[in-house]
Parts: sequence; C-alpha cells; structure tokens
Amino acid sequence: KAGVTQTPRYLIKTRGQQVTLSCSPISGHRSVSWYQQTPGQGLQFLFEYFSETQRNKGNFPGRFSGRQFSNSRSEMNVSTLELGDSALYLCASSLVSGESSYEQYFGPGTRLTVT
Amino acid sequence: AQSVAQPEDQVNVAEGNPLTVKCTYSVSGNPYLFWYVQYPNRGLQFLLKYITGDNLVKGSYGFEAEFNKSQTSFHLKKPSALVSDSALYFCAVRAPFSGGYNKLIFGAGTRLAVHP
Repeated sequence: KAGVTQTPRYLIKTRGQQVTLSCSPISGHRSVSWYQQTPGQGLQFLFEYFSETQRNKGNFPGRFSGRQFSNSRSEMNVSTLELGDSALYLCASSLVSGESSYEQYFGPGTRLTVT
Repeated sequence: AQSVAQPEDQVNVAEGNPLTVKCTYSVSGNPYLFWYVQYPNRGLQFLLKYITGDNLVKGSYGFEAEFNKSQTSFHLKKPSALVSDSALYFCAVRAPFSGGYNKLIFGAGTRLAVHP
C-alpha cells in the first residue's frame, strides 16, 4: 500500500506570497493532520481534517488554513508568507479520528523556504 | 496544559550496548503514547504505541517502550543498539478523550548517536 505523499517536496517563496501544499493520505484513511516542524519550535500541530470537516486546530494565525476533499486528499494554504513560516510541513494520515487507537502515518514533508 | 518532555537533547551509546531514550508526559485523562523516529530529510516513522494493557510494548526494529503511570513516563529502549539506529526520536502523546482527536503533542526530540 502506498504511503502518505506530499507535493511539492521543496518550495521557495517570497515574503507576502501565498502557498498551497498538498497531501494524499494512505488509501482508506479518512483523517489528515498537518504539522509544522522548525528548529526553534519543534513539531507543532496545525489542524486535523476528517470527512471534509476541520476537527481540531492548533495555535496558528488565520493565515494558515486547510481543507479536505471528498477523496480525503488535503491541502493547506498559507497566505501573506513571513520569514518565520520557513519550515518542514508534515502531513499525517490515520484511518479514523476521535477516540480510536490508530496511529498516524507521516509523509516525507514539504520543505518551505521563505525569502 | 498537556506537554511532553524529553530531558536529553542527545544520547550517545556504543554499538551493541543497550539504549534508553527518556520521555515524560503531562496530560489529563488516559493518554495514548507514541514513539516516532526521523531520519535526515525524511518524515516521521512510527515505532510503537501504548494504548492500554501491558506496560511493556514492543515495536518495530527491536525497539520497546515501558509505560509507567506513577512516574508518567514512557521510555524507549533497545537491548542492543545499531549504528543504523542513529536518528532523531520523538515521543508524542494524544488525549483523545479530552477532545484532542488525532492531535499529537510532541516532545522536543532526542538525537541518538550510536558509535561503532
């Protein structure tokens, strides 16, 4: 079974621009979560989507948004990019959400550099 | 507030020796606990989880972890380290019964260096 895929793998943007990252979960997985990884803040939860609905949201500004499509693929968007948005963005998929004990599987990430 | 602590930035161990990577947590309710490993320029790879039951859980690549409720700890162990185990290890907690759904709270990570 194919793993979680993320596109693009690398991205360079300029301050003020916007960016869209894509994530395709493992086949059959309906939950997709997004995380930001930086050297200073570590791994931080952005949001989770399940059945096209946002289930949970981390402590990030409104410039960070996401959505999920009916095939469970997800996108996240960052508008008005700032230098501090440079990070590795990781997507994770899980079979279900809620109180299940299923683990999450991570994609390879998208490395975003803002100049 | 929910949190995870990994008190060691780096752990050094000789190949063939046992290794331990420490993790303590603070979360309300019954947590789900996880260990992930990250190799350079890669995403996180799932190693093992504790949900309930036996306090010693076994995972991938010979790793195991011991859950200790009284000490709120979930230390990762391996009886005999390999050079290829050198990587960044993350402990994570999920609090699904507190409305956390699939949100993982991660520790800062511990870099494991196994020397030949």
